[in-house]
Amino acid sequence: AQSVTQPDIHITVSEGASLELRCNYSYGATPYLFWYVQSPGQGLQLLLKYFSGDTLVQGIKGFEAEFKRSQSSFNLRKPSVHWSDAAEYFCAVVGAAGNKLTFGGGTRVLVKP
Amino acid sequence: DAGVTQSPTHLIKTRGQQVTLRCSPKSGHDTVSWYQQALGQGPQFIFQYYEEEERQRGNFPDRFSGHQFPNYSSELNVNALLLGDSALYLCASSSAGLNEQFFGPGTRLTVL
Repeated sequence: AQSVTQPDIHITVSEGASLELRCNYSYGATPYLFWYVQSPGQGLQLLLKYFSGDTLVQGIKGFEAEFKRSQSSFNLRKPSVHWSDAAEYFCAVVGAAGNKLTFGGGTRVLVKP
Repeated sequence: DAGVTQSPTHLIKTRGQQVTLRCSPKSGHDTVSWYQQALGQGPQFIFQYYEEEERQRGNFPDRFSGHQFPNYSSELNVNALLLGDSALYLCASSSAGLNEQFFGPGTRLTVL
């Protein structure tokens, strides 16, 4: 069965500093990987996705993620965070076309002024 | 283009009651998935509907049931509510065969 682990429950970062959120997945074949962001009390917004091809993918709001098959990882990065980036971030995997999303437990990001 | 919409926004019920949540998918989408997100956790897959049939189901009891209508909108029904059913219920829509799912704002269910 597929699974996703986000090792960091909380991360605090200063505004303007870089951010990296970790995601490790477990799946037998090449997965489809996603990062979503959720602001308090809101639904999920897709930041970026990886299906195949270039392992460095660009997303919205200045985010990027790198797929590393050897490490079963799909870490999310942003070079310089803004106060509006404070939210909860979820990594997710889909094992086959149209199947269910399996989410990690999320990482809450706090941004210090 | 209205995205995925859900109603109601908030709902308060008591134990043992039944509840129905509604979802309208994004224009052009024909597949609807439902997720339960308990406080402080990631969303958990409940089930997915396509062509008015339940195509896949997560590890949820039979108290959770659903329906998809010919216009692709969907309902989630929960019977015999328990305190543990309190959560944010998210609906996501997609096109068949494609993996990208678009989420609605959710319905916050509180069971007292």
